[in-house]
Amino acid sequence: QVQLQESGPGLVRPSETLSLTCTVSGGSISDYFWNWIRRPPGKGLEWIGYISYTGRTTYRPSLKSRVTFSVDTSKNQFSLTLKSVTAADTAVYYCARERDINYMDGAFAFWGPGTMVTVSS
Amino acid sequence: QSVVTQPPSASGTPGQRVTISCSGSSSNVGPNTVNWYQQFPGTAPKLLIYSNNQRPSGVPDRFSGSKSGTSASLAISGLQSEDEADYFCAVWDDNLNGHVVFGGGTKLTVL
Repeated sequence: QVQLQESGPGLVRPSETLSLTCTVSGGSISDYFWNWIRRPPGKGLEWIGYISYTGRTTYRPSLKSRVTFSVDTSKNQFSLTLKSVTAADTAVYYCARERDINYMDGAFAFWGPGTMVTVSS
Repeated sequence: QSVVTQPPSASGTPGQRVTISCSGSSSNVGPNTVNWYQQFPGTAPKLLIYSNNQRPSGVPDRFSGSKSGTSASLAISGLQSEDEADYFCAVWDDNLNGHVVFGGGTKLTVL
């Protein structure tokens, strides 16, 4: 069974860079589409984007200028970097895997437990 | 504000059938398949329905999905107290080089 686990700092200062890593176990990262999704307090889910094992990426249009994904197949990990954060980036961040190996359609079958990131001075 | 619209709240009594709608457009729900998630406080979302009406293994058949045109629905029959949760639809949107959009979410209360 595929398992995902997010890791990274729980507190980031405004204007700094948020960095998170998702470690995949029970399966290879060299397949499927790997996603980041967040849920701000009191709000709904927001898709941030995906990366494939080849490094192909697609990002949420409103975050495209600040976000970068990377993948490390040797460690079975993928990562998120979000620059110039503000309080609006405070959220629980989840990594997730698409259900289908061949295409992205928003069916995320496997999720990490989530990690809370607070942007505050 | 999401481009895919859900009612913010829904409610029902135990045993009832409730439906939650997901209204989109010709760039998302119209041409693409809809997925549904259930989320309890403090936990990760769980895939409930994929490809409009398919249930992953382990999801009770009390949960069903449908789609017509640019709208989709999640139905829960035989409502149980443990169904009280947030429900989200998700769909691929073909605009802006393609991206996933989530509905705003519906808080289901079991009275």
